[in-house]
Amino acid sequence: AQTVTQSQPEMSVQEAETVTLSCTYDTSESDYYLFWYKQPPSRQMILVIRQEAYKQQNATENRFSVNFQKAAKSFSLKISDSQLGDAAMYFCAYMGLLQGAQKLVFGQGTRLTINP
Amino acid sequence: GAGVSQSPSNKVTEKGKDVELRCDPISGHTALYWYRQSLGQGLEFLIYFQGNSAPDKSGLPSDRFSAERTGGSVSTLTIQRTQQEDSAVYLCASSADSHKINYGYTFGSGTRLTVV
Repeated sequence: AQTVTQSQPEMSVQEAETVTLSCTYDTSESDYYLFWYKQPPSRQMILVIRQEAYKQQNATENRFSVNFQKAAKSFSLKISDSQLGDAAMYFCAYMGLLQGAQKLVFGQGTRLTINP
Repeated sequence: GAGVSQSPSNKVTEKGKDVELRCDPISGHTALYWYRQSLGQGLEFLIYFQGNSAPDKSGLPSDRFSAERTGGSVSTLTIQRTQQEDSAVYLCASSADSHKINYGYTFGSGTRLTVV
C-alpha cells in the first residue's frame, strides 16, 4: 500500500522569507500524481499545487513550487515570500493510477506558522 | 452549487445515538468521496462513489458506518451507535469525472462530530 510521510509536524517562518515543507512517499507504481493541500482554520482543503510523476519539470504556482525527486520519492513544497495568509496545515497527498486509483492518500500534515 | 456543501457544520451527539451527515457536491460532479480527519491527523479515506457504479467502501472502519448517494447527487454518511472514537471531522469532496480526478478534488468544509 502507498504511504505518505511528512516528517515535520510544525514549521515556522518569518514573513517574507522562504520555507520548505518535506514529503516522502512509498509506492511501487511508476505513474501517479502528487498534491499539496492547504487547510486553514475553516477546515476546507484547498489545492495548492499538483505534479504528474511522468513530468520531470517541477510544478510552479506563483509563490509555490515543488522539488520533485522521483528516484528518491520526495516531493517538497517551497513557499517563497511567505505571507500571513499562508499560515495553515499543509498536507501532501498521493494518487495512484493503478492500485487504489482515484483515492488520495494523505500525509499527517505540517502546521505552518508565519511570524510577522 | 458553487462549492461542496456539508451539513451540519458541527454536531454533538450522545454515545450510542445514530447520526447522519450530509454532502451536497458541485452540480455535475460524478465522483464523490468521504474522508475522516481525526484530531491532529491526516485524512483517512472512507468511501467513494462514481456515477452509477458500485461504491468503493473499502475504507469504512466498521459496519456501523454506511453511506448512500441518491440520484447521483446528494450523499448521506450514517454512523450508527456512535462511539467516542468516532469523534472527528468528516470531509466530503467531489470531482468532475474519473478522467479529471488528477486535478484534485474540491472539498467541503466538513462536519465536526463530537460524541459525548
